[in-house]
Amino acid sequence: KNEVEQSPQNLTAQEGEFITINCSYSVGISALHWLQQHPGGGIVSLFMLSSGKKKHGRLIATINIQEKHSSLHITASHPRDSAVYICAVSADSGYALNFGKGTSLLVTP
Amino acid sequence: DAGVIQSPRHEVTEMGQEVTLRCKPISGHDYLFWYRQTMMRGLELLIYFNNNVPIDDSGMPEDRFSAKMPNASFSTLKIQPSEPRDSAVYFCASSLLGVGEAFFGQGTRLTVV
Repeated sequence: KNEVEQSPQNLTAQEGEFITINCSYSVGISALHWLQQHPGGGIVSLFMLSSGKKKHGRLIATINIQEKHSSLHITASHPRDSAVYICAVSADSGYALNFGKGTSLLVTP
Repeated sequence: DAGVIQSPRHEVTEMGQEVTLRCKPISGHDYLFWYRQTMMRGLELLIYFNNNVPIDDSGMPEDRFSAKMPNASFSTLKIQPSEPRDSAVYFCASSLLGVGEAFFGQGTRLTVV
């Protein structure tokens, strides 16, 4: 069983919709990362958080340490938000990232 | 800084050949990670270094894989001999103090035919 589970696996939304991607993990962590990967592209770090909430533009990430759960929200979604969003955790026991399988998001005009 | 730089971006090679992937981390970062991405397994750790020393190589699939970091600004991942199942995108990432934000290179797409 993967230590990091994401849902949904695939998501289609219309432009302007509010989007939520969820991530659950089963190990103690030092930090949780949200990453973005465009088709054929590299991986970009969106957020790194260990508690509370962070906001960057239209993106918001939250984490609940007690429940071992994080969410990534996109407000007023846009077609350029179409990408794969990956949740990853740095476990207490080491520094390497353990990755979820990713959520493929398609935002249509 | 130009970010993490990987080369080549694409590599096509024949089964049995040696393949060398290269990575230049962000200057000043003391952790370097090699990850592999496949459709079936997603992203997985292969190995990581701290201050040029390998710390965890438990993800290296077989003895055919080896990685070195001769200095703080350069690392290589070598596959010898390569096999079709090694086809994947290989990412290098670096970070400061291990738990800092991870910066990824653009990846090397390896195809072994």
